[in-house]
Amino acid sequence: EAQVTQNPRYLITVTGKKLTVTCSQNMNHEYMSWYRQDPGLGLRQIYYSMNVEVTDKGDVPEGYKVSRKEKRNFPLILESPSPNQTSLYFCASSLSTGTTNEQFFGPGTRLTVL
Amino acid sequence: GQSLEQPSEVTAVEGAIVQINCTYQTSGFYGLSWYQQHDGGAPTFLSYNALDGLEETGRFSSFLSRSDSYGYLLLQELQMKDSASYFCAVLFSGGYQKVTFGTGTKLQVIP
Repeated sequence: EAQVTQNPRYLITVTGKKLTVTCSQNMNHEYMSWYRQDPGLGLRQIYYSMNVEVTDKGDVPEGYKVSRKEKRNFPLILESPSPNQTSLYFCASSLSTGTTNEQFFGPGTRLTVL
Repeated sequence: GQSLEQPSEVTAVEGAIVQINCTYQTSGFYGLSWYQQHDGGAPTFLSYNALDGLEETGRFSSFLSRSDSYGYLLLQELQMKDSASYFCAVLFSGGYQKVTFGTGTKLQVIP
């Protein structure tokens, strides 16, 4: 089954404790992206990757890191989480850019930073 | 900066037609996409307009006018299951490939 998976689905942590949210897709997609969703603000792009070893900042990259060492995986790293990073996070992938922009989203990770 | 504006909430009656607008202040993008998101779920792709005009996919249609910086999603024969949030989005062209989503419209379908 074609899908995007994220882990963990729920996470409660404390300020400053490094964490990684994993994202994996099995569709051989080139483009992958991370979003955060907050009430009233919609989906905001954190980072995106156009292919292996090619990443760039979205609209809200501060406090986050990403890497793309393999085509299928695109982990999101919070080196020192803070309470303002409490949010719902979505990973997404698409075949390529410049086409329909049909992105396939993972189920989401609800992160709480205390 | 780039922004896409949508009404925050819309209410419509089951069986009716509803239009959700998306206005933007940006340029240099490939096209306008629409996504649906049910409460607690992930966004799912609905439609895409690369060119100006109307695209139809079953009960859903989407329209884009670049000259007017405006697009809309049209939902016909509304069903209760259409109650959800709807987002427009653009993928920017040029040297970078950022995606910006609209603020989202919560649609409530009532009997």
